[in-house]
Amino acid sequence: GQNIDQPTEMTATEGAIVQINCTYQTSGFNGLFWYQQHAGEAPTFLSYNVLDGLEEKGRFSSFLSRSKGYSYLLLKELQMKDSASYLCAVSRDYKLSFGAGTTVTVRA
Amino acid sequence: DTAVSQTPKYLVTQMGNDKSIKCEQNLGHDTMYWYKQDSKKFLKIMFSYNNKELIINETVPNRFSPKSPDKAHLNLHINSLELGDSAVYFCASSPPPMGYTFGSGTRLTVV
Repeated sequence: GQNIDQPTEMTATEGAIVQINCTYQTSGFNGLFWYQQHAGEAPTFLSYNVLDGLEEKGRFSSFLSRSKGYSYLLLKELQMKDSASYLCAVSRDYKLSFGAGTTVTVRA
Repeated sequence: DTAVSQTPKYLVTQMGNDKSIKCEQNLGHDTMYWYKQDSKKFLKIMFSYNNKELIINETVPNRFSPKSPDKAHLNLHINSLELGDSAVYFCASSPPPMGYTFGSGTRLTVV
């Protein structure tokens, strides 16, 4: 099975940086994903890590350490529109298992 | 063109009724899924089909029956609806092991 843990809530100021941590335990691993979900909408793909290291995509970066079962999503230059839930998900075979999500609130 | 489309977007129905949710993807993906997102926003997998074959069936009551007439469609039929079935149901598709593309969700309310 998979245990995926991430903080429930985080608050940050516009223009700041926020780091959302995710730890997981899994008996198999095909990759780790981060999704963004705005209230009332579908989750949308942000990033994918399958090898250790940092993947950078604009203001968003994601890091993976497979030996530690650890990932983080880094959001830079926060904007009000970044207020959303961020979901960590671990892929194994055909299945993507999600954490409970971290609600990020960006304040002016 | 919507990549993964599901209908209806909202569904309000009485306990005991039978209802269906439809999903279609035009991405050419082999694998489709149904996920349930409860009031605590936790997304949990229910079913997965690969090329019309059921490959994942999590611990879901047998009142829920998925059907995949072809690899572009995956429908979900729910019999004898209960209050606890109220949730948002998301359809998704993927080329495994890559990430999913989600449909816009169906908000089911059982009264």
